[in-house]
Amino acid sequence: AQSVTQLDSQVPVFEEAPVELRCNYSSSVSVYLFWYVQYPNQGLQLLLKYLSGSTLVESINGFEAEFNKSQTSFHLRKPSVHISDTAEYFCAVIPSSGGSYIPTFGRGTSLIVHP
Amino acid sequence: DAGVIQSPRHEVTEMGQEVTLRCKPISGHNSLFWYRQTMMRGLELLIYFNNNVPIDDSGMPEDRFSAKMPNASFSTLKIQPSEPRDSAVYFCASSPDRGQRGTEAFFGQGTRLTVV
Repeated sequence: AQSVTQLDSQVPVFEEAPVELRCNYSSSVSVYLFWYVQYPNQGLQLLLKYLSGSTLVESINGFEAEFNKSQTSFHLRKPSVHISDTAEYFCAVIPSSGGSYIPTFGRGTSLIVHP
Repeated sequence: DAGVIQSPRHEVTEMGQEVTLRCKPISGHNSLFWYRQTMMRGLELLIYFNNNVPIDDSGMPEDRFSAKMPNASFSTLKIQPSEPRDSAVYFCASSPDRGQRGTEAFFGQGTRLTVV
């Protein structure tokens, strides 16, 4: 079985400041990792994912996440946030083979960007 | 493709009434998930279908909840009778066959259910 821990339920930050949203996972098998974003009154949508290769992955809107196998982490970062980045962010994992195909989600982190 | 389509977007009902939520997955996707989102419990998986067959329904809270997928393009989640504690946002998500695990799940806009 897999589990995902997002330690911060809420992260307030000022506009143009850097931010890091933390994600740690536990799994007995190799996993694929995902970050989803949920804007108010909308469904979740993919922000970025790690499948293989370079451990640093980027999204089109300036977010990046780094897969650290030894620390079982997949933290999300952005060097300078905008008001429009205010949203709920979810980390998720899926076993890369075998086991359950069901994605396991963290509890989510609410990013609040203040002007 | 229009994405995953859920209806209705909002539902307000009285306690004891039957509620049916509907979902149309993305064409060609073989996996379908129903999730419930609340402030207290976050995002909970209710049930997972693959090729229209329920594979894991361990998240269904109790017998008042039931889900069906009569064909590849339609699924329903029914609550009968509804209770105030069922108030939540219910999401449907679909994904390609489980052989393509690197592909993410695509979520609908959700149905906000309020039971009064």
